[in-house]
Amino acid sequence: LAKTTQPISMDSYEGQEVNITCSHNNIATNDYITWYQQFPSQGPRFIIQGYKTKVTNEVASLFIPADRKSSTLSLPRVSLSDTAVYYCLVGEGGGADGLTFGKGTHLIIQP
Amino acid sequence: DTGVSQDPRHKITKRGQNVTFRCDPISEHNRLYWYRQTLGQGPEFLTYFQNEAQLEKSRLLSDRFSAERPKGSFSTLEIQRTEQGDSAMYLCASSLDRDIRRDTQYFGPGTRLTVL
Repeated sequence: LAKTTQPISMDSYEGQEVNITCSHNNIATNDYITWYQQFPSQGPRFIIQGYKTKVTNEVASLFIPADRKSSTLSLPRVSLSDTAVYYCLVGEGGGADGLTFGKGTHLIIQP
Repeated sequence: DTGVSQDPRHKITKRGQNVTFRCDPISEHNRLYWYRQTLGQGPEFLTYFQNEAQLEKSRLLSDRFSAERPKGSFSTLEIQRTEQGDSAMYLCASSLDRDIRRDTQYFGPGTRLTVL
């Protein structure tokens, strides 16, 4: 049973808002939801983290419904440089072994 | 640049050889992780250290893999008797010591290993 489920790929255009949803049906009470971005041949980069409701920072927003079984990463007004793989990470089991990145969502932004 | 650094960036070796990679974390970070990433997949957890103590290893980690962090600063990952299936990007990340469920990891650029 997958710990997180995301769309494999998404397409959008410059200037649009992009929403990427991650399902995590088995999330535990103490788990946080963390999103990372990865460009080719680079390590992942932290984007945003949340526990419930809504979190916003300078690059993204994270929406988490009350049941916490899913989360949505929102990227406002994307540009070509936002083309990357986005990973939703949810801890499981309380240890580092439970930190599973999954396959991520390959977001492609077109002009 | 005070980010996480890894050396070498690329390594090509022949099957059966041993290889060692180095990771230098962000200086004030006391937690260090190693991951492996193959094409089209997300990073896969291998092991992590809290200071010099290795606290967890993946259940999938082969006995041919060993990691050290002798002084709680830099870390090395050694793969003995490499196999073609070991070809991957090896990523290192570091973080401050807080609840692992909300850990923010800072990743290095990775070491790409090719086993011929």
